[in-house]
Amino acid sequence: EAGVAQSPRYKIIEKRQSVAFWCNPISGHATLYWYQQILGQGPKLLIQFQNNGVVDDSQLPKDRFSAERLKGVDSTLKIQPAKLEDSAVYLCASTLEASGYEQYFGPGTRLTVT
Amino acid sequence: AQSVSQHNHHVILSEAASLELGCNYSYGGTVNLFWYVQYPGQHLQLLLKYFSGDPLVKGIKGFEAEFIKSKFSFNLRKPSVQWSDTAEYFCAVRNTGGFKTIFGAGTRLFVKA
Repeated sequence: EAGVAQSPRYKIIEKRQSVAFWCNPISGHATLYWYQQILGQGPKLLIQFQNNGVVDDSQLPKDRFSAERLKGVDSTLKIQPAKLEDSAVYLCASTLEASGYEQYFGPGTRLTVT
Repeated sequence: AQSVSQHNHHVILSEAASLELGCNYSYGGTVNLFWYVQYPGQHLQLLLKYFSGDPLVKGIKGFEAEFIKSKFSFNLRKPSVQWSDTAEYFCAVRNTGGFKTIFGAGTRLFVKA
């Protein structure tokens, strides 16, 4: 079974630039999550999708972050414009609820904003 | 607000020592509990989970965790650690009334060979 795919793996941008991350969850997983993990902290949920609908985006900074999940499969997370404090690892995870809400994580995208 | 506390940020042990990592959460309702592990250079992966039933759950690689409802705790244990257990460990809690899973800040474990 293929795992959760993410790209790019690393990205360095200057503040005020824009950036986009892509995630392809495990086939058949209806729920998809985007997390932000700042160095020294645990993953913090940014947005959760159930198929292509948003379940929770309460911690997504909507003035600069946006996310979509077209056709209930792939997802993109965008930051525009980026700030220094956005430097973090952005994790994508997916869940097959029938398996008990275990989340399968991708390798993450390490973003550095200079 | 729901929160998860992991008491130790860094732990250093020698091989064969026993391990216990603390995890406490704040939520009064029914919860699902998880421990995830991230080995160096690898993805976060599930170590074990608790949903219901026997509060002592066993996971992969000899790890176990005990859910103590009265203490809102879900501590991770291993009787004898190995060098290969060097990793970062995250406790996570999902309240069954909502959809969100909250992660603790993580504990970095280093096992000396």
